[in-house]
Amino acid sequence: GENVEQHPSTLSVQEGDSAVIKCTYSDSASNYFPWYKQELGKRPQLIIDIRSNVGEKKDQRIAVTLNKTAKHFSLHITETQPEDSAVYFCAIRAGGGADGLTFGKGTHLIIQP
Amino acid sequence: ETGVTQTPRHLVMGMTNKKSLKCEQHLGHNAMYWYKQSAKKPLELMFVYSLEERVENNSVPSRFSPECPNSSHLFLHLHTLQPEDSALYLCASSQETNRELFTGELFFGEGSRLTVL
Repeated sequence: GENVEQHPSTLSVQEGDSAVIKCTYSDSASNYFPWYKQELGKRPQLIIDIRSNVGEKKDQRIAVTLNKTAKHFSLHITETQPEDSAVYFCAIRAGGGADGLTFGKGTHLIIQP
Repeated sequence: ETGVTQTPRHLVMGMTNKKSLKCEQHLGHNAMYWYKQSAKKPLELMFVYSLEERVENNSVPSRFSPECPNSSHLFLHLHTLQPEDSALYLCASSQETNRELFTGELFFGEGSRLTVL
């Protein structure tokens, strides 16, 4: 099945600095790459996604970049704020079929005041 | 309000018990999912009901049995579980308009925290 590697597992940054989380995958047929945020004790929620025909997508302080040749995609958060502290999961959806998303192990992002 | 409701929120059961987890979505979606979330592991997809068809997942033990009576309700029947099955079980739904080009954002419920003694 699909495999998604996510790094780092924990990331601590100073408030106001940028954070970058990277995921690599093995299935070249993957066509959809979302990022979910899960705050402590809460459900995961979609924050941004990108499809295979696009290289970059931005939404205010959040951006995702995709390199299909190298099979990796990254989440970029600029001007980090305390409310950005959470666990972030990348995911992929393989091309074709009716399967759900395959998730990475998650990155615990800690924003230091 | 998420639109996806799970009950019970917490469940403690013995290894010989039979229990069920329930999920209901009020979003009009046509796909529903069960995910397992354990500490230090990725969200693991267990079962998918998409466009009223169940997608088999051979890696899930038979002590977990899903049921989807209609597009709004999903159950996970549990029997003779093991302590390692203790985890947070998340239900999710999405709207799939094209099976070849997945377009549906997953909407998760709050989860059912299961403890197997």
